[in-house]
Amino acid sequence: NAGVTQTPKFQVLKTGQSMTLQCAQDMNHEYMSWYRQDPGMGLRLIHYSVGAGITDQGEVPNGYNVSRSTTEDFPLRLLSAAPSQTSVYFCASSLSGRGPDEQYFGPGTRLTVT
Amino acid sequence: AQSVSQHNHHVILSEAASLELGCNYSYGGTVNLFWYVQYPGQHLQLLLKYFSGDPLVKGIKGFEAEFIKSKFSFNLRKPSVQWSDTAEYFCAVASGSARQLTFGSGTQLTVLP
Repeated sequence: NAGVTQTPKFQVLKTGQSMTLQCAQDMNHEYMSWYRQDPGMGLRLIHYSVGAGITDQGEVPNGYNVSRSTTEDFPLRLLSAAPSQTSVYFCASSLSGRGPDEQYFGPGTRLTVT
Repeated sequence: AQSVSQHNHHVILSEAASLELGCNYSYGGTVNLFWYVQYPGQHLQLLLKYFSGDPLVKGIKGFEAEFIKSKFSFNLRKPSVQWSDTAEYFCAVASGSARQLTFGSGTQLTVLP
């Protein structure tokens, strides 16, 4: 299993540009989520999904869209990039959306918005 | 809303020293607790987790943590650290049956050889 994969690893955007961060998992996990990591703030939840066709907002959803058309993929879209979205983005997944379980994290995408 | 506090932002130890990293959370109901580690340039990996039962849990690489419900704490310990333990450590909490994690701000551990 490749686990959780993310592309690209690095990206530089100009203010106002849009882009999609890709996340895929091959573990047949129901639950997937996106976090952003900023210095001194830990990881904060952006959006999550408990299964195909179901998404919901996390703590910091503004400026981001998600969709979940398949179990495997959970892309994160930046509609109009802003410097405040400069961060490291992690995708995570876990087996089920119900009950306690550990989450498996991808390698991250480092995004810089100029 | 729940919150997680990690009061030690940067800890510097010599090899063989003992380690204790603090983690406190604010949530009155059932919680599931996690410690994740992020080695330089790598993604987060699970060190250990507590869901129920024995409040002293053991994880990988000799780490352990104790859940003290009355203190809302889940401190991470290791009796003797190694240079390879240099990393950032995150405490995280999920409430009840929810899967969404709330993370602390992280503690950077530097172990000097």
